[in-house]
Amino acid sequence: SYVLTQPPSVSVAPGQTARIACGANNIASKSVHWYQQKPGQAPVLVVYHNYDRPSGIPERFYGSNSENTATLTISRVEGGDEGDYYCQVWDDSRNQPVFGGGTKLTVL
Amino acid sequence: EVQLVESGGGLVQPGGSLRLSCAASGFSFSSYWMHWVRQAPGKGLVWVSRIKRDGIETNYADSVKGRFTISRDNAKNTLYLQMTSLGAEDTAIYYCARLRGDGGLLDYFDYWGQGTLVTVSS
Repeated sequence: SYVLTQPPSVSVAPGQTARIACGANNIASKSVHWYQQKPGQAPVLVVYHNYDRPSGIPERFYGSNSENTATLTISRVEGGDEGDYYCQVWDDSRNQPVFGGGTKLTVL
Repeated sequence: EVQLVESGGGLVQPGGSLRLSCAASGFSFSSYWMHWVRQAPGKGLVWVSRIKRDGIETNYADSVKGRFTISRDNAKNTLYLQMTSLGAEDTAIYYCARLRGDGGLLDYFDYWGQGTLVTVSS
């Protein structure tokens, strides 16, 4: 099965840039999607197809995907960005979606 | 406005059964693959099951295969998850989610319900 690896936590000061990695073998060959989940809430899509943003998601959120690492970058981080972030791809070998373990973003 | 509202969660004894529902509104329900995703307390998201637009094709995670059954009623715009032989490892919030795409490599979840909590305990 296809395994996505994320760091458990990332901390950043307000106004700085947060980078959340999602690692997997040759992930660049896949389409990566990112979800934000705030405490007690359902996940919300923030980036799809590696770097596209749904309507309503600020331009501060952008994604990239290269070789073995996809990255969600959040610029000018705000307190409201705190939460858990999950990457997701389609595992074509098992014909099902797979999620990374999640990264907790803390704004210092 | 797209809305997904889950219900049916609760406390159930080990070995018991439960049926979850997800009422959809604000979109053409029969045009989308629908999925169940769960999240154990303090843990990450885990895919559970999916069902094709017409309900004919279904798939399950290995951990629930043979115990859970996904179904849908397109006339009622409702998704279901019948869960049997429940164990402590099934304790989680269960989310229904709409898949944007055609069941392929580019697909992603564009809308999620608020979730319903299932607790398996004696």
